[in-house]
Amino acid sequence: KAGVTQTPRYLIKTRGQQVTLSCSPISGHRSVSWYQQTPGQGLQFLFEYFSETQRNKGNFPGRFSGRQFSNSRSEMNVSTLELGDSALYLCASMYSNTQYFGPGTRLTVL
Amino acid sequence: QKEVEQDPGPLSVPEGAIVSLNCTYSNSAFQYFMWYRQYSRKGPELLMYTYSSGNKEDGRFTAQVDKSSKYISLFIRDSQPSDSATYLCAMPSFGNEKLTFGTGTRLTIIP
Repeated sequence: KAGVTQTPRYLIKTRGQQVTLSCSPISGHRSVSWYQQTPGQGLQFLFEYFSETQRNKGNFPGRFSGRQFSNSRSEMNVSTLELGDSALYLCASMYSNTQYFGPGTRLTVL
Repeated sequence: QKEVEQDPGPLSVPEGAIVSLNCTYSNSAFQYFMWYRQYSRKGPELLMYTYSSGNKEDGRFTAQVDKSSKYISLFIRDSQPSDSATYLCAMPSFGNEKLTFGTGTRLTIIP
């Protein structure tokens, strides 16, 4: 099976812009989680979707949002970008209590 | 105080050495414990998963859990240059959908 794929792999944006990141889970996996990874804070949970419904949410501001489609693909949106949003954004699909991570999208905010 | 604490390193050891990586946690609700390995420019991959106190072995890797001390360890025997990566401990909650990670320890094995 193909692994979790994320697009784009790299992105450069300026402050105030918005961005949308995409994640395609492993075929058959219905749960998708998103994480932000930074050198200072490490990996932090953003939110999790299952069957198009957000089941869990981390402690991030409302500028961070997501959605999941009927084919389990998920998107994450960040509005009004701030410099501190520069990070590696990882998504993971889960099956049988194991999360499988994609390679991430490296977002740089200038 | 973070729920999961991990020494960020970096840690450099010679090839063949035994490596010890450690995490402490404060949330007694954590019942399952995971170790992930992350190579540069890659996502984390699950190395080991355990839910009971004691040791679990998988090849050169041994995971150790002490719930009374809220302390977990990962040991790597006969370390290889290919083991050079960042190692992250993680603890699931919300039915495993949410993982709380340590900050990761960057490990370099010197040939």
